Amino acid sequence: DAGITQSPRHKVTETGTPVTLRCHQTENHRYMYWYRQDPGHGLRLIHYSYGVKDTDKGEVSDGYSVSRSKTEDFLLTLESATSSQTSVYFCAITEQGSYNEQFFGPGTRLTVL
Amino acid sequence: GENVEQHPSTLSVQEGDSAVIKCTYSDSASNYFPWYKQELGKGPQLIIDIRSNVGEKKDQRIAVTLNKTAKHFSLHITETQPEDSAVYFCAPQLRVSSGSARQLTFGSGTQLTVLP
Repeated sequence: DAGITQSPRHKVTETGTPVTLRCHQTENHRYMYWYRQDPGHGLRLIHYSYGVKDTDKGEVSDGYSVSRSKTEDFLLTLESATSSQTSVYFCAITEQGSYNEQFFGPGTRLTVL
Repeated sequence: GENVEQHPSTLSVQEGDSAVIKCTYSDSASNYFPWYKQELGKGPQLIIDIRSNVGEKKDQRIAVTLNKTAKHFSLHITETQPEDSAVYFCAPQLRVSSGSARQLTFGSGTQLTVLP
């Protein structure tokens, strides 16, 4: 498996609380992605990064922010969690952008009550 | 995403039979067409991909065919085995909004069950 870890793996929180999910890679890949997976929707891109401090929005970015201060770490923050953000969140990495294979982490299951 | 349609949503086949999953996309300028397999409790994993300069690519029991004129591509699995049971996603590289960089856009998935 590619060297990607996500933390935490499971989290239950309450509406209105801030939540930060972490993706850590040991591959030194330039591109990192955050997706959410919900039944019937496949995976939807939230935000992505194409380098340290370089990020852009994806298809479903509202309510989420990201930061990347080091090559190996990409953080996803829900400033004020809502029940609609209950989902499984996957981080992915790739060396040369979206024309190439993306390697996925194990996922974080987030429940917002 | 709404720019990608994947069919069928569920597919059951007998072991040894073939399975075909089809993906239709909207962006005629797309050039990269991968298929991912997701096993229960894991992240998706690339199984095969094709770029727009070829019409077909094969890797052992798995093949992908591309019809750029009709804007669809298909996954073919022959001689299916129980370990092929999983969810399969197409993920064409699309431009989801004006001015944005193209990104992978995942279909809604196909649950393949191979019956022994």
